[in-house]
Amino acid sequence: EIVLTQSPGTLSLSPGERASLSCRASQSVGNTYLAWYQQKPGQAPRLLIYAASNRATGVPDRFSGSGSGTVFTLTISRLEPEDFAVYYCQHYGRSPWTFGQGTKVEIK
Amino acid sequence: EVQLVQSGAEVKKPGDSLKISCKGSGYIFTSNWIAWVRQMPGKGLECVGIMYPGDSQTIYSPSFRGQVTMSADKSISTAYLQWSSLRASDSGTYYCARVGGGFDIWGQGTMVTVSS
Repeated sequence: EIVLTQSPGTLSLSPGERASLSCRASQSVGNTYLAWYQQKPGQAPRLLIYAASNRATGVPDRFSGSGSGTVFTLTISRLEPEDFAVYYCQHYGRSPWTFGQGTKVEIK
Repeated sequence: EVQLVQSGAEVKKPGDSLKISCKGSGYIFTSNWIAWVRQMPGKGLECVGIMYPGDSQTIYSPSFRGQVTMSADKSISTAYLQWSSLRASDSGTYYCARVGGGFDIWGQGTMVTVSS
């Protein structure tokens, strides 16, 4: 089973600042089967990025994904008030599909 | 509009059986795998497993194999997740999601509470 480790656990930033979230895999996931999700309280997760760097439909271009192999990054170029949430990475290649433990982006 | 609509919240006792549903619309239901994801209260996301409604092929995550059963009725575009004997540790919110380049469409979630 591939273990995904996200860091930091919590990121305290102000609106307008840049956020960089890390996701490290215990073994290579290539660059095809890595996704990022946003989840707000009381809501279902929302797909942001698939295949490591492709934005999902309707996702603002301030969100970008990069990386391959075992190291991946989600970057939010300028935080908007609605971006404060929990973010999860996920691999969906070889079963079992697993999620990272999440990074909470909170208002400083 | 592509959407997945899940059945409502459930409150059950340990040992009870339960079947929750996820109805797809706005797309060809048999063309995409459906995933089930658990979120325990205040915790992260766990993939229960995935199934292909076209032929009912299933793949369970090791932690959930033997604990739940995924199924589908493609005639009504509906996927199911069921338990034969619930435990308190099954409590949580269960989401269904369409697999299409990640999990691209999510249901609203079904909260399952198991308590004596």
